[in-house]
Amino acid sequence: NAGVTQTPKFRVLKTGQSMTLLCAQDMNHEYMYWYRQDPGMGLRLIHYSVGEGTTAKGEVPDGYNVSRLKKQNFLLGLESAAPSQTSVYFCASRTQGRMSAFFGQGTRLTVV
Amino acid sequence: GQSLEQPSEVTAVEGAIVQINCTYQTSGFYGLSWYQQHDGGAPTFLSYNGLDGLEETGRFSSFLSRSDSYGYLLLQELQMKDSASYFCAVRGDMNRDDKIIFGKGTRLHILP
Repeated sequence: NAGVTQTPKFRVLKTGQSMTLLCAQDMNHEYMYWYRQDPGMGLRLIHYSVGEGTTAKGEVPDGYNVSRLKKQNFLLGLESAAPSQTSVYFCASRTQGRMSAFFGQGTRLTVV
Repeated sequence: GQSLEQPSEVTAVEGAIVQINCTYQTSGFYGLSWYQQHDGGAPTFLSYNGLDGLEETGRFSSFLSRSDSYGYLLLQELQMKDSASYFCAVRGDMNRDDKIIFGKGTRLHILP
């Protein structure tokens, strides 16, 4: 049982490049989340999804897009990367009615 | 919207007891939870309080007072492996329980 898997684990981008982060969960969870973590800032919610085909904005959505075409996958896209998007990105999932969220191991992204 | 306040750092001695406080402001409330994160790792779920009172799980306990918008995490018999960051989180927004918003985290330092 893999839980929540994020790919890639590390990536370096040049300013203006685009990329997609993939989150996959095998627990049949309805809710999925993308957070970014910066020193001293905690975990900030970027976008989330309450089910297949749905997405919603979180606290810091600007510069990111998401898609949830399949229940098990939640994609985070950066259309034109900026140095301010250098961060560690975490995906999480949970089932409806439960407070416990399960996190992936994170993606460390550096934009130069 | 939601906001959570917790101390940025706490220091305690191995074998002792430490309390990490969290106050929150939310437009809707569906419970307070706690997560632990070791350096370089992913957050992992520790506990959840949906109702007022104390929840105990081994050496860890969590308390909630909804009237005071306040909760705390209590760690007993501290061990060196408890050195980590601890995040409180609230679930929910007005009439919805889909988001999970995190505080900025408390870094726990344990002295031998």
